[in-house]
Amino acid sequence: GQSLEQPSEVTAVEGAIVQINCTYQTSGFYGLSWYQQHDGGAPTFLSYNALDGLEETGRFSSFLSRSDSYGYLLLQELQMKDSASYFCAVQSGGSYIPTFGRGTSLIVHP
Amino acid sequence: SQTIHQWPATLVQPVGSPLSLECTVEGTSNPNLYWYRQAAGRGLQLLFYSVGIGQISSEVPQNLSASRPQDRQFILSSKKLLLSDSGFYLCAWSLGQGAGDEQFFGPGTRLTVL
Repeated sequence: GQSLEQPSEVTAVEGAIVQINCTYQTSGFYGLSWYQQHDGGAPTFLSYNALDGLEETGRFSSFLSRSDSYGYLLLQELQMKDSASYFCAVQSGGSYIPTFGRGTSLIVHP
Repeated sequence: SQTIHQWPATLVQPVGSPLSLECTVEGTSNPNLYWYRQAAGRGLQLLFYSVGIGQISSEVPQNLSASRPQDRQFILSSKKLLLSDSGFYLCAWSLGQGAGDEQFFGPGTRLTVL
């Protein structure tokens, strides 16, 4: 089976940098995705990593280390609107349907 | 552009009553379709997915069922709701392109079973 671990909650102040970690256990790994979900809203896709390294998209970056079965989402210049839940999701094992982690609630303080 | 609709947005139903949630996608053809349930403070649990009309795969045993009567229509049903069926139900679609396939989620239905 597949399992993903991510912290349940992270807090930070506006303007800071925060890193949300995700470790996974799976076989036949394809890639790791990140989704953002504001309270009561729909999850929206942020990024996808299939190869080792850092992918940057504006203030958000996502990193993957396949050998360590580990990835993280890096959010820079935090804004209040970044307060949301962030889910990592792994594609693996012959299925391209992602398996989602339980999510990390990011709280940004002024 | 593609859009995904879900209704109703909220629903309160008594235990033992039937359920029908509908999801439709516009602007794309032959999408993969998915039903997820999200309990409070939890991740997304995949309930059903479909790669084509009439093709339904179930991920977990439960008293829910799904149907895909048309290419861009996905319906989640139950004959008799249980208290444990309460949650946030999300429909999603994807192009089915394999690795890196992005999922696009609908606005969700918040179901409360009393």
